[in-house]
Amino acid sequence: DTAVSQTPKYLVTQMGNDKSIKCEQNLGHDTMYWYKQDSKKFLKIMFSYNNKELIINETVPNRFSPKSPDKAHLNLHINSLELGDSAVYFCASSQDSVVTGGNTEAFFGQGTRLTVV
Amino acid sequence: SQQGEEDPQALSIQEGENATMNCSYKTSINNLQWYRQNSGRGLVHLILIRSNEREKHSGRLRVTLDTSKKSSSLLITASRAADTASYFCATDADSGYSTLTFGKGTMLLVSP
Repeated sequence: DTAVSQTPKYLVTQMGNDKSIKCEQNLGHDTMYWYKQDSKKFLKIMFSYNNKELIINETVPNRFSPKSPDKAHLNLHINSLELGDSAVYFCASSQDSVVTGGNTEAFFGQGTRLTVV
Repeated sequence: SQQGEEDPQALSIQEGENATMNCSYKTSINNLQWYRQNSGRGLVHLILIRSNEREKHSGRLRVTLDTSKKSSSLLITASRAADTASYFCATDADSGYSTLTFGKGTMLLVSP
């Protein structure tokens, strides 16, 4: 069983299109994240959700809209895609430190490589 | 906002040698974690050290944390070719919610 799964693994699309990336975790975690990894491998947090509520939104253009229908899912919808959106997007989840006694280890999906042409 | 900064950016060693990577951060933390990323894959958690701990071991990994200097180091002993990967430190800020912020990573190449 995959702990954090995201689909699709690869996404090639034209500028201006709208696309979605889905993420699901079966670990029962309360917190889910979206990260963007650029060509230099820098991992930047985009969003953090705790129990379906937005906690962090790090200077991400409003073309990016996360949606959390329940705490096991955090999907990422991107409108009007631009060339600069090309990157690898990672979904992750972790449990609250209150629950784990301080262990906030994150589990990552395998990534979605988005290429905008 | 970027929290951790790893040093060096790239490290090339021979099998059997030790590899040391350093991480510096800026704000107070609950814990600091190290992750590994193989090429084209997701990140995998290696080890977590809490803010009240100074050193931790896990197999061939040794992590130290100096909260007064806001720095951590990851030592991989007796390296193997299979250790070739990128290594990232991540800080969990003392902000009420778990928020992992990653550094830029160190690319480690272990040659046979």
